[in-house]
Amino acid sequence: SQQGEEDPQALSIQEGENATMNCSYKTSINNLQWYRQNSGRGLVHLILIRSNEREKHSGRLRVTLDTSKKSSSLLITASRAADTASYFCATDLSNDYKLSFGAGTTVTVRA
Amino acid sequence: ETGVTQSPTHLIKTRGQQVTLRCSSQSGHNTVSWYQQALGQGPQFIFQYYREEENGRGNFPPRFSGLQFPNYSSELNVNALELDDSALYLCASSPGTFLNYGYTFGSGTRLTVV
Repeated sequence: SQQGEEDPQALSIQEGENATMNCSYKTSINNLQWYRQNSGRGLVHLILIRSNEREKHSGRLRVTLDTSKKSSSLLITASRAADTASYFCATDLSNDYKLSFGAGTTVTVRA
Repeated sequence: ETGVTQSPTHLIKTRGQQVTLRCSSQSGHNTVSWYQQALGQGPQFIFQYYREEENGRGNFPPRFSGLQFPNYSSELNVNALELDDSALYLCASSPGTFLNYGYTFGSGTRLTVV
């Protein structure tokens, strides 16, 4: 079974709008990462947030982490057509060596 | 600085055959992990190699095996292929085993078993 679950499974927005997706996980983590995947190709690392951090920004991306609720959110502001992709959260369990991925959120940005 | 390179990009094999997938890690990265991604799902951890030794393994049968070479490149071997092995196989490198930084992924090898 997968550690993380993204919500919603799919999201369709107009160019210029914001996109928000959520990730819930089950057990304690060291950090949580977000990745983007275009059309079934390789994953691109977007942002890493450590368990002692609550919010992190990178360009148009904002990630929050609530360890008490075991959840994270990824916000993409002012979306562009190039943001069309699948987004995955991945958790690093404490003292583990692997990333556990959710099933992803598919985002479509309409021109 | 080069990224992670995987070969081949696409492959079609017959059930029962064996396959070898290759990965060149990013310069300076000594750890390679392999993931299997079935259609519509997230990647699943297969195993990790650190300095030529297997450093951890996911829930995959022994017919999935790997190697890491002194230059930190890696191979994934799958014997006795089954139809369910059809997937995108992703290689990821990192500068160490501790996951305090993001992985660098290759573009993957799309394996189809018929």
